[in-house]
Amino acid sequence: TQLLEQSPQFLSIQEGENLTVYCNSSSVFSSLQWYRQEPGEGPVLLVTVVTGGEVKKLKRLTFQFGDARKDSSLHITAAQTGDTGLYLCAGSMEYGNKLVFGAGTILRVKS
Amino acid sequence: KAGVTQTPRYLIKTRGQQVTLSCSPISGHRSVSWYQQTPGQGLQFLFEYFSETQRNKGNFPGRFSGRQFSNSRSEMNVSTLELGDSALYLCASNAGGTDTQYFGPGTRLTVL
Repeated sequence: TQLLEQSPQFLSIQEGENLTVYCNSSSVFSSLQWYRQEPGEGPVLLVTVVTGGEVKKLKRLTFQFGDARKDSSLHITAAQTGDTGLYLCAGSMEYGNKLVFGAGTILRVKS
Repeated sequence: KAGVTQTPRYLIKTRGQQVTLSCSPISGHRSVSWYQQTPGQGLQFLFEYFSETQRNKGNFPGRFSGRQFSNSRSEMNVSTLELGDSALYLCASNAGGTDTQYFGPGTRLTVL
């Protein structure tokens, strides 16, 4: 059983559409991170959220951390082909740097 | 500042052999974590080293081991390789005071 449930698993949309990726858990996290990964490369950090209810914006990307620090969402406005990739959420719940990852969302944006 | 570097980038081994992978963290970072990524299991935590001590360990067999040197560089070793060990092995470094981790490009290990 995945500690962090990420949905949807796959998303194929047209350029210009909006989308939301969800990351849910029954556990509380001290922080949650979102990464984007290209094939054959390591994940690249997009954002870290630490406060319940926190909303962070990164250009067309909006990240939200749930009030109870158990869930998070990533919203992309007007998707572009360059947004194509694997999006991963990862939570930290204990001392040290052990991250628990969701299974990932493969996003394909078509022109 | 240079990012996290991992060597080698690609490796092909046969069952029963052993392998050592290397990771150099971002300058000034004292924490190094290792992860295994496979299509079936996703990204799974292997272990974390901080100031040359293992601070956290995931649920992997004893064939997987690691160490960290005084300059924060880290190595992981897998002995008696199995086909299922084929994966992308990722190293991440952290300054030690936050949860934010920065990943290297990974080492793609193929076991034949």
